[in-house]
Amino acid sequence: ETGVTQTPRHLVMGMTNKKSLKCEQHLGHNAMYWYKQSAKKPLELMFVYNFKEQTENNSVPSRFSPECPNSSHLFLHLHTLQPEDSALYLCASSQDKEAYNEQFFGPGTRLTVL
Amino acid sequence: GQNIDQPTEMTATEGAIVQINCTYQTSGFNGLFWYQQHAGEAPTFLSYNVLDGLEEKGRFSSFLSRSKGYSYLLLKELQMKDSASYLCAVRDSNYQLIWGAGTKLIIKP
Repeated sequence: ETGVTQTPRHLVMGMTNKKSLKCEQHLGHNAMYWYKQSAKKPLELMFVYNFKEQTENNSVPSRFSPECPNSSHLFLHLHTLQPEDSALYLCASSQDKEAYNEQFFGPGTRLTVL
Repeated sequence: GQNIDQPTEMTATEGAIVQINCTYQTSGFNGLFWYQQHAGEAPTFLSYNVLDGLEEKGRFSSFLSRSKGYSYLLLKELQMKDSASYLCAVRDSNYQLIWGAGTKLIIKP
């Protein structure tokens, strides 16, 4: 595997379910990000981890819970979601949070909440 | 508040040139990025500007004017595969990327 991978690619869940999204980067980066992308809206930054430490939580509801066990893996745990949480969830990585280089994105998980 | 503005949609003809504009108002500035995103795929990096002026990379060029809070992406010799959304993003004083909603570019034969 190369680059940034995400699983699953598609997920349908009920409002009472608990599920997790997984992201893995094979680039040796130290910063990882979760974004939410809704149709015709800007990418919304949700969480940032730099050297495994969470540095940003942009007012994200507690029904979204991130976990970063090491610098290569990032999870997003989901529970009691709402239909408006349906969106594309993108994971990205970069060398580190403050470095002047680009973020590399995974293909995303298309989430539908019924 | 922080704001990035870019046109919602543009149409251009194969072989032509198109310019996609981006204006921004952010708390601090640590560089501006352009990304390309094909439908159903991940955004991919196109260009980065931190100083005023034009950066050229093959058929794509990006321009920045920090005093005007303005950038554009110039695409030359358009190909059908250039049909995609183009995202403008500014890194603010906290090194967070603030994103525009993207410009959907439609290329016609």
